[in-house]
Amino acid sequence: EVQLVQSGAEVKKPGESLKISCKGSGYSFTSYWIGWVRQMPGKGLEWMGIIYPGDSDTRYSPSFQGQVTISADKSISTAYLQWSSLKASDTAMYYCAADYGGAFDIWGQGTMVTVSS
Amino acid sequence: EIVLTQSPGTLSLSPGERATLSCRASQSVSSSYLAWYQQKPGQAPRLLIYGASSRATGIPDRFSGSGSGTDFTLTISRLEPEDFAVYYCQQYGSSPSFGGGTKVEIK
Repeated sequence: EVQLVQSGAEVKKPGESLKISCKGSGYSFTSYWIGWVRQMPGKGLEWMGIIYPGDSDTRYSPSFQGQVTISADKSISTAYLQWSSLKASDTAMYYCAADYGGAFDIWGQGTMVTVSS
Repeated sequence: EIVLTQSPGTLSLSPGERATLSCRASQSVSSSYLAWYQQKPGQAPRLLIYGASSRATGIPDRFSGSGSGTDFTLTISRLEPEDFAVYYCQQYGSSPSFGGGTKVEIK
């Protein structure tokens, strides 16, 4: 079964760092783009950026450039989204999604990140 | 960056009725790179349509997509109870973006 499994919910304080993960299985992880999507509470979907695990080619949405870092470790079929200094406004659900069979057809279950003092 | 505007914001319909959702782009989008997603509360989005008009695997044929250039449409021919949800369009070219969403609610 082709799937993406994300790491569990996180509760952090402002200023802390965080790295969440998205592990692919059931397909050739290095051959398909993986994107990250933010959904703030009660709001719509926001595109953050995308990575090609085969060569780590990474592209960011202008809104998220410099705010987060997207990376991948192809040896363990895992993509990452990380922050160096969290803010309360980073509180959101974060999804990874793979462009496998047309558009982004494989989605992770989401990782809820809560940033609160 | 291409801005996608979806309308209406909310669509109130009854089961069995036809739903027509609009997605307008600020500049031309290659039809190959226009998708529609459905999201229900507490769930990840699900791909419905890619390439403007191709149904994703397992998607019922009551869902159809059309359009080109800057104007795209998602049509649900006859609403089933499970179709009441939020729908997003996305252009997934070189710098992807989502529309703001249309909520289809029960009238």
